[in-house]
Parts: sequence; C-alpha cells; structure tokens
Amino acid sequence: DAKTTQPNSMESNEEEPVHLPCNHSTISGTDYIHWYRQLPSQGPEYVIHGLTSNVNNRMASLAIAEDRKSSTLILHRATLRDAAVYYCILRRNQGGKLIFGQGTELSVKP
Amino acid sequence: EAGVAQSPRYKIIEKRQSVAFWCNPISGHATLYWYQQILGQGPKLLIQFQNNGVVDDSQLPKDRFSAERLKGVDSTLKIQPAKLEDSAVYLCASSFPFSGNTIYFGEGSWLTVV
Repeated sequence: DAKTTQPNSMESNEEEPVHLPCNHSTISGTDYIHWYRQLPSQGPEYVIHGLTSNVNNRMASLAIAEDRKSSTLILHRATLRDAAVYYCILRRNQGGKLIFGQGTELSVKP
Repeated sequence: EAGVAQSPRYKIIEKRQSVAFWCNPISGHATLYWYQQILGQGPKLLIQFQNNGVVDDSQLPKDRFSAERLKGVDSTLKIQPAKLEDSAVYLCASSFPFSGNTIYFGEGSWLTVV
C-alpha cells in the first residue's frame, strides 16, 4: 500500500525559507499530494495540494518531483506562527482514502 | 462558508462508560471521515463514509466503536464501553469525493477516559 515518509522534526530561523520534504515512492498516477498543518489543540489546516505541476498559493509553494515520488513544501519566509506539525498526505482517487505521513514538527526560532 | 462542526469539544468519562461524538460536515460534502489522533501521533482513520455508505472501516474496533451517517449528512461516532486507551482527539473531516478536492477538518473532540 502507498505510504509517505517525512522527517520527524525540523528547525528554522524566523524569516528564512523552509523546505519540508516528503517521500511517496509508491504513489499512484491519480493520487493527489496534499499538505496540511496542525497547530496545538486544533484540527489540521489545509496548506496546499497538487498533482504533477508545482503549485503556489499565498501560504506556500509545493514542488513535485518529475517522477512524483517526492515533494517539498516550501515556506518562503518562516514566521513564529508557522510552528506546527506538517503532514504530507496522499489522497487516492479511487475511494478518496487519505494516506498520512507521520508528520514533521517544525520549530521556528526568533 | 461554515466549517466542519464537531461536538462536544471536550469530554471526560470513566472507563466502561459510553460517549458519543457528533459531526456536521460542510454542506454538500459527500465524503466524511472520522480519525482518532492519540497525543503525539498522526491521525488514524477509523471510518470513511461516502454519502450514507461505508467506504472503509477496516481500522474501526467494532466491538466497542460504531458510527453512522443515516441521511448522508451529519454523523455520530459512539464508543461503548470506553477504555483508557481510547483517550484521544476524534477528528471529523469532510470533502467532495474527487482526490483533488480540499479536505476540511473540524477542531476535534477531546476525550479523556479515567
């Protein structure tokens, strides 16, 4: 079955870019790659998602490898409010199942 | 747009008691998920509905957990009898069914079993 692999934790300095990696080597052709983040005591919050092409929105950018076996979430300028657990999730087209990674806990130092 | 509503937000019960959690998804969302998230871990799927049908309940402990979505809108998750290891946050999420659609999570229902 498909799975995603993420580092357990990462550190960043405030106002510097952050690159959060995710490996999903068993991804299927129609699976979308979603990224969510979870602040303490809250439910996961949508960040960005994509299929094949790189994606940008006001929160972040998503870089997807050409073979789709990995992706990177890019926060262009980390702020203290970006400190959270970031989840890389595959969403199956067949049945809509969500496959969670273990999450990366991002800490941001002032 | 209203988000995914969950209640109660917090619940403390004794072991062997029962508890029920309610979820009202975003209007029009056919897909509804219930997740269990133990402190410090990622969410674990309990059950997934498509309208009022069950898509996946393979990880639902059916001897004590049950869930329903009778009219294909709101959903209830019940635990009876509760065990200490059921202490967790129960997250409800909803979405349109296409894999490229955004999934919306509720704030979660925090359960402590003592």
